[in-house]
Amino acid sequence: AQSVTQPDIHITVSEGASLELRCNYSYGATPYLFWYVQSPGQGLQLLLKYFSGDTLVQGIKGFEAEFKRSQSSFNLRKPSVHWSDAAEYFCAVHPRITGNQFYFGTGTSLTVIP
Amino acid sequence: EPEVTQTPSHQVTQMGQEVILRCVPISNHLYFYWYRQILGQKVEFLVSFYNNEISEKSEIFDDQFSVERPDGSNFTLKIRSTKLEDSAMYFCASSGQGGAYEQYFGPGTRLTVT
Repeated sequence: AQSVTQPDIHITVSEGASLELRCNYSYGATPYLFWYVQSPGQGLQLLLKYFSGDTLVQGIKGFEAEFKRSQSSFNLRKPSVHWSDAAEYFCAVHPRITGNQFYFGTGTSLTVIP
Repeated sequence: EPEVTQTPSHQVTQMGQEVILRCVPISNHLYFYWYRQILGQKVEFLVSFYNNEISEKSEIFDDQFSVERPDGSNFTLKIRSTKLEDSAMYFCASSGQGGAYEQYFGPGTRLTVT
């Protein structure tokens, strides 16, 4: 079955530390891949996306993500976390071949401690 | 930067009442979507709309739901007779000529059914 998995429900990091949020997908072909961030009470803001080409993509707010076909993964990273990065992060895919909908993971809640 | 807007930000209604959630997509976009997020759960696709008709809908989108583009700017989601389980955050999204692959999300409407 098609699925998007974010194994980590909640992550806590210290400000200034590095961050990696995991995302794995299960689809027949490589889908389009996205990371969204949702701050408390806010909507979904697109951080970055991968369609094709260079497997390391840069996004806003200093985030990057790496697509690894062999691992069916699209992990989000940031070298140095800021307190304002505390939010919910969602990995999402579009199957590419057909359909209009995005499929979202269950999200990872990030807490940043001083 | 153009953005998707939604009104109201929070709607409280009694069970059995009809509610209409409103969205103003990005002006030159052609595809429109509704998603919902029950508290603590993943974002789920409800429906997509293109060329004045539903192009895709999920199992969640039953006869209690309807969508409409009443004029050139608004896109609405109507729930005819709300149930407690309809309580959720509802996100509108839109995408442009590129199709469903780049969806821009609004800030959401939090619907509380009492």
